Amino acid sequence: DAGVTQSPTHLIKTRGQQVTLRCSPKSGHDTVSWYQQALGQGPQFIFQYYEEEERQRGNFPDRFSGHQFPNYSSELNVNALLLGDSALYLCASSQGWGGETQYFGPGTRLLVL
Amino acid sequence: AQSVTQLDSQVPVFEEAPVELRCNYSSSVSVYLFWYVQYPNQGLQLLLKYLSGSTLVESINGFEAEFNKSQTSFHLRKPSVHISDTAEYFCAVSGVKAAGNKLTFGGGTRVLVKP
Repeated sequence: DAGVTQSPTHLIKTRGQQVTLRCSPKSGHDTVSWYQQALGQGPQFIFQYYEEEERQRGNFPDRFSGHQFPNYSSELNVNALLLGDSALYLCASSQGWGGETQYFGPGTRLLVL
Repeated sequence: AQSVTQLDSQVPVFEEAPVELRCNYSSSVSVYLFWYVQYPNQGLQLLLKYLSGSTLVESINGFEAEFNKSQTSFHLRKPSVHISDTAEYFCAVSGVKAAGNKLTFGGGTRVLVKP
């Protein structure tokens, strides 16, 4: 049973650039959520996708956008990168809209220089 | 809206000693409660969860947590820790039957098990 996978594992970008992170949900899951974990902090909710639509959004600017594909995989895009965007980006999947339990991937560590 | 407070940012403990990690939450609705563990340079792994029923929940590796509604707490305990339990532990909540299942996390508690 494949768990949540994310790519790439690490990424280095410079300020002003754009980045795309990818996530494949756990088998049987159709809802994908994205979280940002800054160093030394707990994860913060970015947004959630279900049926290819953004259903919920946290307190993040429009520079953060996403997409969900028909196979339930998802992308997180960040435009005009800032130094403060350096963090571990975690993808989580769950079953159904409002599924109680989320399972996390290994994360993508983004460093913005 | 929910919020989570983990009262201890770091907990040093000797091997085979007990440990308790404290978690308090605030919410205007009923909640689901979770503990996740994060080993160095890894993602989050679900340790245990409370959805309904018995207020005492256990994990397969010896951890347990008790949901106390009156004190709005969900403290995590293990009677005897191992070196391999060295990790960061996060308490999280989501609203019962809320639209979606957004998780709100505490700031984490770093557990360092000493030999």
